[in-house]
Amino acid sequence: AQTVTQSQPEMSVQEAETVTLSCTYDTSESDYYLFWYKQPPSRQMILVIRQEAYKQQNATENRFSVNFQKAAKSFSLKISDSQLGDAAMYFCAYIAYGGATNKLIFGTGTLLAVQP
Amino acid sequence: DGGITQSPKYLFRKEGQNVTLSCEQNLNHDAMYWYRQDPGQGLRLIYYSQIVNDFQKGDIAEGYSVSREKKESFPLTVTSAQKNPTAFYLCASSTGRSSYNSPLHFGNGTRLTVT
Repeated sequence: AQTVTQSQPEMSVQEAETVTLSCTYDTSESDYYLFWYKQPPSRQMILVIRQEAYKQQNATENRFSVNFQKAAKSFSLKISDSQLGDAAMYFCAYIAYGGATNKLIFGTGTLLAVQP
Repeated sequence: DGGITQSPKYLFRKEGQNVTLSCEQNLNHDAMYWYRQDPGQGLRLIYYSQIVNDFQKGDIAEGYSVSREKKESFPLTVTSAQKNPTAFYLCASSTGRSSYNSPLHFGNGTRLTVT
């Protein structure tokens, strides 16, 4: 069975600094997608970044980038120049390519605090 | 603006009562989902529906029921059979099966408290 593990329940970063959130997953599939979602205090889930497993190039969205290591089954999120608005719960998620549904498997989340 | 509306934001019920959570979307999405969020457990899938008049159980469907009579609406009923109903409930939708190009869009959630 596929699983997603986020081993850091809480993280803290100083404003303007860089922080990396860890995510590992377990799957026997060769083709799949990975996502990072952000849940601020409003509790709205917001898609931050996504990665296709067959693409070796790491995805980047402005200050957000990933380090995708397929062999190690690792998908970490790097936030550069951290801002107060980045404070949120971050969820890593996985789905197999061609799955019957859009059934995402989520990790347990990492709560990120940004210190001014 | 298109989006997903969940109502109410906070809901309080007495134990033993059924309660229905509303979810409406105007994104013209085919697929809709209900997730439950508990502290330290991430999001767990309760039910999902890919088309009108059809739905499937997710990982934790026991004690819940849904209907999908209209494309725009996917209400979730928390029945008295659900042993631990107090949680935060999130509704989501997507255009369909292709997951990368049609990621989930989420509503703002409903916090249900049962005492």
